[in-house]
Formats: sequence, C-alpha cells, structure tokens
Amino acid sequence: DTEVTQTPKHLVMGMTNKKSLKCEQHMGHRAMYWYKQKAKKPPELMFVYSYEKLSINESVPSRFSPECPNSSLLNLHLHALQPEDSALYLCASSQEFGTPAGGYFGPGTRLTVL
Amino acid sequence: GIQVEQSPPDLILQEGANSTLRCNFSDSVNNLQWFHQNPWGQLINLFYIPSGTKQNGRLSATTVATERYSLLYISSSQTTDSGVYFCAVGRVNDSGGAGSYQLTFGKGTKLSVIP
Repeated sequence: DTEVTQTPKHLVMGMTNKKSLKCEQHMGHRAMYWYKQKAKKPPELMFVYSYEKLSINESVPSRFSPECPNSSLLNLHLHALQPEDSALYLCASSQEFGTPAGGYFGPGTRLTVL
Repeated sequence: GIQVEQSPPDLILQEGANSTLRCNFSDSVNNLQWFHQNPWGQLINLFYIPSGTKQNGRLSATTVATERYSLLYISSSQTTDSGVYFCAVGRVNDSGGAGSYQLTFGKGTKLSVIP
C-alpha cells in the first residue's frame, strides 16, 4: 500500500461550521504534513507532524487545528473559517522527517467556504 | 528563506516533442524534488534528486548542487504529461528537529501537450 488517502474529496461549509479533514497512510511513514494550495499557486506548508511532535507554520491562523491521533492518521480541524480559506488541502507523508525521498501526497480535499 | 525560480512559466508542446524545464534555487539544499500535478490536483512525486542524474522512462532529471540548479527533461511528450511541474527544495537548518524543516515550492511550469 503506497498511497495517502484523504476524506472528504470535496467539502462546502459555512463560516460558522466546524468540520474536519482526514488523512491516512499505512506505509509506516514517520512524518506527515498538511499543505494549502490556492488556485494557480504552489502548495504552502501548514503543519508538520514528526515523531509525535508538531511544527507549525507561524503564519497559519488558529482557526486551523491539526491533530495526530496515531502515527497513521492526521486530522485538520476547521472552525470559523473565512471565504479566503477556500483552497485545495493536501496531506503528505514521508519516511523520515526532513528527507522525504519518495514522499507521497494524497489526492486532496477541495474546500469551499461560503 | 530559500528562493526557488522555475522556467518557463508556461510551455505548449506538440505531442512527441522534447522539453527541458529548469529550477534555480538561491541557497544550498539537501532535498530537491520534482512533482507533477495533474489537472485534477493530484501531486505525483517524480524524482528525489538533491544531486546527480536519474532517469525514469521518458523523464530524467539532473541536479547540479554546486551551481544551484536542476533540470527536468521530458522526451517524446504525450498529452497525459500535461499539468503543472513543480520543483521543491528543502534544507534542515542548524537547529535540527521537527521545526527546522521547510519544503519550498517554485511557482511551477504549466505544460500543455497538444495532439
């Protein structure tokens, strides 16, 4: 199994909703990542989980909250989002932190905030 | 932070043609990857190539780390090669640990292969 899965594929939510994005990998990778990608832009790193430690891109607002229940799962909790948060959210994993040789990306969740 | 520049920004090819995509970066790195993002958004890791040359079918890549550039070669292009090609670089800084890692993407080259 050499894939990263993400659910849901599409999500539409209002600014007062609370929702979660899920990411899963069963490759035994020890680092997992959340990226945000706006239309026609490159992906931007939001969070890194490695060895159960969280690293945060300090520019990410607190309405995004990551959670790593175990080494195979990575969630992104969403609360009080703004329309400008509409984007493709990509999860990725790599065998070791910092050297993602053969790092894998999930198919993404397309989020629309109304 | 590290600056990554890709060229050309857009490229239109006739099916069967060859092409070279370039990635320049502003500082030393210990990770460089090429990705292909298809029109549906899926990012596929093509090469992990912080230095040297690798080949995979019709694709090959060369990184000259001392001169801070990498090239992606596509031969005999096919319509399925269309999409955006990203170069991404990373470097673990002196502090080490989880917080030191950053993978910086270039703006990409949008490739359109027409029949």
